[in-house]
Amino acid sequence: DAGVIQSPRHEVTEMGQEVTLRCKPISGHNSLFWYRQTMMRGLELLIYFNNNVPIDDSGMPEDRFSAKMPNASFSTLKIQPSEPRDSAVYFCASSLSQGYGYTFGSGTRLTVV
Amino acid sequence: EDQVTQSPEALRLQEGESSSLNCSYTVSGLRGLFWYRQDPGKGPEFLFTLYSAGEEKEKERLKATLTKKESFLHITAPKPEDSATYLCAVQSQGGSEKLVFGKGTKLTVNP
Repeated sequence: DAGVIQSPRHEVTEMGQEVTLRCKPISGHNSLFWYRQTMMRGLELLIYFNNNVPIDDSGMPEDRFSAKMPNASFSTLKIQPSEPRDSAVYFCASSLSQGYGYTFGSGTRLTVV
Repeated sequence: EDQVTQSPEALRLQEGESSSLNCSYTVSGLRGLFWYRQDPGKGPEFLFTLYSAGEEKEKERLKATLTKKESFLHITAPKPEDSATYLCAVQSQGGSEKLVFGKGTKLTVNP
């Protein structure tokens, strides 16, 4: 299995632009998670899906952030408009079920200038 | 609210010098405690899950233990390739699959 695949690996954008991050989970995993990692705050959950349905989006910073999972093999995290404080590494992870560890992707390093 | 505190923030060891990393947690009913390893520029890599106090798990030079308030990651005779950031996370009972992470311990093993 190729693991969790994220794209792009790096993204540099100007403030105010729309940014879309993409994730392909491991086949057969029924939960998908979006995390953000910064030096100050560590890893923070933004949103997670179970069977393509959003379950907990309490970590989504504000209305500028949105996430979708149209099918079991694809998810997107969109930021519109982007701001410099959104600069971070964004990780996608998938899991087989509750109680099992996540498998993380390699992350997308986002820089908003 | 679930909380995880890891100490120390950074640890520097000589090759072969054993030590332990600490993870203290507060959770409303523990479903599982997870240890991950993260190398620079990569995503966290799963190491262990512990489910109940008294449980221990081992992998090569690493051994994780769990009590009702904390977990330890013991590193025996470390090698330079063990250098990484080690993350601890908890999952609470009650249906949510959310993992709450600590900020990690950055381990450096010098040859």
